[in-house]
Amino acid sequence: ETGVTQTPRHLVMGMTNKKSLKCEQHLGHNAMYWYKQSAKKPLELMFVYSLEERVENNSVPSRFSPECPNSSHLFLHLHTLQPEDSALYLCASSQRTHGYGQGRGEKLFFGSGTQLSVL
Amino acid sequence: SQQGEEDPQALSIQEGENATMNCSYKTSINNLQWYRQNSGRGLVHLILIRSNEREKHSGRLRVTLDTSKKSSSLLITASRAADTASYFCATANNAGNMLTFGGGTRLMVKP
Repeated sequence: ETGVTQTPRHLVMGMTNKKSLKCEQHLGHNAMYWYKQSAKKPLELMFVYSLEERVENNSVPSRFSPECPNSSHLFLHLHTLQPEDSALYLCASSQRTHGYGQGRGEKLFFGSGTQLSVL
Repeated sequence: SQQGEEDPQALSIQEGENATMNCSYKTSINNLQWYRQNSGRGLVHLILIRSNEREKHSGRLRVTLDTSKKSSSLLITASRAADTASYFCATANNAGNMLTFGGGTRLMVKP
């Protein structure tokens, strides 16, 4: 148990459905992330939420919409997905320190992921 | 190509043997991290090495970093069947606020 909980563990949806993935962290961290893991591809960072910033990967299609109501909860809203969006979606959290350079050394704590299949 | 690239992509060894995985990257980094992932699960942080460090140990894990060659290696000594997993390196940019993962090495340790 890493302290990061994702639900659901598995999701099958049609291309016209709307669904949401949920992530909750119990570690008191101040940053949360969505990653996409497709077969035979490196982990792809989709979104970052922290006290300092929200970062979006510009290559992520608008059919993925993140929401971060507070520092412990993160959602990924899905609508009109495509079959190529089938993947393992991983949530992670970290404790971001202020400043830059050698002082930073954040490690990520991942949830178990949501295995998404789009039919 | 990717910022972090692991080599080999797949490795199969017998229990008790050592396993060595390598990671190469292209741009300067703040730190480099290794993660482990069991099939269909999330990643688990193993070890972090900063850009001013050359070697680090944690239990049966030994990580080296050569910033002049932009490469790192992860050595698992006396491997066990339970070490079977995928191993990923991740590099943090100079600001230390963005991690980029490589494609991973799939390690199989046969009993």
